[in-house]
Amino acid sequence: GAGVSQSPSNKVTEKGKDVELRCDPISGHTALYWYRQSLGQGLEFLIYFQGNSAPDKSGLPSDRFSAERTGGSVSTLTIQRTQQEDSAVYLCASSLGGTGTGGYTFGSGTRLTVV
Amino acid sequence: SQELEQSPQSLIVQEGKNLTINCTSSKTLYGLYWYKQKYGEGLIFLMMLQKGGEEKSHEKITAKLDEKKQQSSLHITASQPSHAGIYLCGAEGYAGGTSYGKLTFGQGTILTVHP
Repeated sequence: GAGVSQSPSNKVTEKGKDVELRCDPISGHTALYWYRQSLGQGLEFLIYFQGNSAPDKSGLPSDRFSAERTGGSVSTLTIQRTQQEDSAVYLCASSLGGTGTGGYTFGSGTRLTVV
Repeated sequence: SQELEQSPQSLIVQEGKNLTINCTSSKTLYGLYWYKQKYGEGLIFLMMLQKGGEEKSHEKITAKLDEKKQQSSLHITASQPSHAGIYLCGAEGYAGGTSYGKLTFGQGTILTVHP
């Protein structure tokens, strides 16, 4: 597609439920990133996929968070047993190569609210 | 890990005034990116700087990277209400001739421009 697409754009869930957030990167982009932005905060790196390499999961805040990237394209970020502190905007980005020399293109994000 | 500090955290200016936002890294950068974000929206790519001493301009926005590649400034000339938003700097860390392939962000600068 023309840009990075994220769905849903908004998600309200009850504490303790599991949620799945989807990211559809730009076609041909081999690198995909997930970030989290809490109110009034900068972007917090979560996870990075580059081609067929093992993902860099160093930013995942707990084992309740996991992500997959199927077929080198679409990615799903899963949060299990959601907590109120998980409320944030989750942003996905993709780039042509791992060094970002093609620029990082961000989606519009998924606003997650845990009540 | 790459630490980025932005200053100021917020800025309120009158339309027509010039302003500067700074981004300082604790380590040498491989690449420095500037993004703009409107509330509730994704990030819009502004500019990327990679060479020490590099300077780029787009319309009324100019970004510079210092020779040591540890500090960047974003300068807006004759600000307009359309410039309002959150400005974020992101950096790729330097890893022996290449980058880590992911962006670490500063906490952002909230810019308000009064008409």
